[in-house]
Amino acid sequence: EAGVTQFPSHSVIEKGQTVTLRCDPISGHDNLYWYRRVMGKEIKFLLHFVKESKQDESGMPNNRFLAERTGGTYSTLKVQPAELEDSGVYFCASSHTGYTDTQYFGPGTRLTVL
Amino acid sequence: AQRVTQPEKLLSVFKGAPVELKCNYSYSGSPELFWYVQYSRQRLQLLLRHISRESIKGFTADLNKGETSFHLKKPFAQEEDSAMYYCALSGNSGNTPLVFGKGTRLSVIA
Repeated sequence: EAGVTQFPSHSVIEKGQTVTLRCDPISGHDNLYWYRRVMGKEIKFLLHFVKESKQDESGMPNNRFLAERTGGTYSTLKVQPAELEDSGVYFCASSHTGYTDTQYFGPGTRLTVL
Repeated sequence: AQRVTQPEKLLSVFKGAPVELKCNYSYSGSPELFWYVQYSRQRLQLLLRHISRESIKGFTADLNKGETSFHLKKPFAQEEDSAMYYCALSGNSGNTPLVFGKGTRLSVIA
């Protein structure tokens, strides 16, 4: 079974540009999470989808970030316009619905904003 | 506020020596506690969780509610244990976001 996949693995853009990150969860996983690790800081939660609905978006830093999950399958996270402080590694994780279900992480996308 | 503290950024031990990676947390309620590990060039993966009470790769962790700690221990470190270790917590209602510590890099020296 394929794990969580993320695309691209790296992205280098200039301040003011737009970038879209993609996450494909494990097939059948209703829960999809986005996290971010900024250099020197802890991995922080951004938002949580259950199927196509946003369950919790309390971690989204500001309205430059827009997340979607089309049809409850893959998800995209768009940053527009990107700022220097958006640089970091963006992780996606997915899990089944259930009390003890583990979150499985993707390899992450390293975003560098110049 | 929910918080996970890992006081050590880097921990170096000799092969065969005991290892203890510290983790303290603050949470109003009864959280679920986890240890995640990231080996070089691999993705973050679950090592163990407190409700399972398992020993994985020789590692164990006991939840101490009085001290709000969930330290990770292994009696004899191996070179392949070298990795980044993250302590994390979540709410106990299921499928809730993880709150991570900053991580501890464990280096096992031959």
